[in-house]
Amino acid sequence: NAGVTQTPKFRVLKTGQSMTLLCAQDMNHEYMYWYRQDPGMGLRLIHYSVGEGTTAKGEVPDGYNVSRLKKQNFLLGLESAAPSQTSVYFCASSPLQGRRETQYFGPGTRLLVL
Amino acid sequence: AQSVAQPEDQVNVAEGNPLTVKCTYSVSGNPYLFWYVQYPNRGLQFLLKYITGDNLVKGSYGFEAEFNKSQTSFHLKKPSALVSDSALYFCAVRDMSSDSWGKLQFGAGTQVVVTP
Repeated sequence: NAGVTQTPKFRVLKTGQSMTLLCAQDMNHEYMYWYRQDPGMGLRLIHYSVGEGTTAKGEVPDGYNVSRLKKQNFLLGLESAAPSQTSVYFCASSPLQGRRETQYFGPGTRLLVL
Repeated sequence: AQSVAQPEDQVNVAEGNPLTVKCTYSVSGNPYLFWYVQYPNRGLQFLLKYITGDNLVKGSYGFEAEFNKSQTSFHLKKPSALVSDSALYFCAVRDMSSDSWGKLQFGAGTQVVVTP
């Protein structure tokens, strides 16, 4: 199993450009999450999904959109990138709640917005 | 609302000495608590979790954590640190509200530096 994979690994954008980050998991997990990591702030939840076709806002959703058309994929979109969105983005997936509940993380995408 | 605090930005320890990384939490109801480790330019790796049961939880790479309900703490420990344990460590608490959908609240992280 590849686990959780993220594409691309690194990207540079100019202010106002758009892009989509792709997260894929092969563990048949129901729940998927997008976080951003900034120095000294830990990880903050952007959006999450509890199943195919369902998404919800997290702690810092402004400026981002998401879609989960297939169970294994969770896309994060930036419609008009801003320098404040320079960050490292992590995707995670988890099985349903209960004793098996654990979030498994991808390797991250580094985004620089100029 | 839940929250988690890691009071130390950095912990320095000599190789072979005991390592402790502190975490305190605030949550309504019974918490789910997690520890993750992040090596440079890598994603977060799961170390261990407490959901129910024994207060002492054993995890990967020789780490363990003790759940203390009265002190609302979940400190990570390793009896003998290795240089390879140098990394960024995150404590996280599960939101226990009915519509939480497994959302985690992360601490700011503690950088562990193990010197030879």
